[in-house]
Amino acid sequence: EDQVTQSPEALRLQEGESSSLNCSYTVSGLRGLFWYRQDPGKGPEFLFTLYSAGEEKEKERLKATLTKKESFLHITAPKPEDSATYLCAVQAYAGGTSYGKLTFGQGTILTVHP
Amino acid sequence: EAGVTQSPTHLIKTRGQQATLRCSPISGHTSVYWYQQALGLGLQFLLWYDEGEERNRGNFPPRFSGRQFPNYSSELNVNALELEDSALYLCAGARVGEQYFGPGTRLTVT
Repeated sequence: EDQVTQSPEALRLQEGESSSLNCSYTVSGLRGLFWYRQDPGKGPEFLFTLYSAGEEKEKERLKATLTKKESFLHITAPKPEDSATYLCAVQAYAGGTSYGKLTFGQGTILTVHP
Repeated sequence: EAGVTQSPTHLIKTRGQQATLRCSPISGHTSVYWYQQALGLGLQFLLWYDEGEERNRGNFPPRFSGRQFPNYSSELNVNALELEDSALYLCAGARVGEQYFGPGTRLTVT
């Protein structure tokens, strides 16, 4: 069974204090690893997809990296508006060209203080 | 381009009743996925529809069911509601791997 573990559960940073969130996974044939941002009471907002070990993607202050066992979401010089829950999810091969379900971690609650 | 829409935003039901939740994916997205996000449990996969067919379901009882219409919109039905069904129900649309989520329907069972 696919499993995703995120750490830490919660992270409090001062504005400008860079840090990283971790996502460890086990999956039977990784099709993709996804990062989402979720604000309270809202649906997850898509951030990145990573497909193979060594791949990196960046968006503003966020950079996602992928190895064969884990992914990191690096946050550089965060701002208060980066406060949210960050979710990691994996997608396994579903057969043929099908794209199946996402298996999510519990998320990391990030709070950035001004 | 319009995003994924879900209705209603909030739904309050009593135990034993039935709930119907609706989702319209982004134009061109033919797959719809349903997830349940209960407090403290994270997002749990419920159902996957593609081209009108149910492709996979998660570890939920048969009283959770749904369908996908020819225009790719989808409906989730929950029968015989129980208190533990209270949660945020999220749908996501996709054409290829990336899933785009709607704002969710908050279901409260009293």
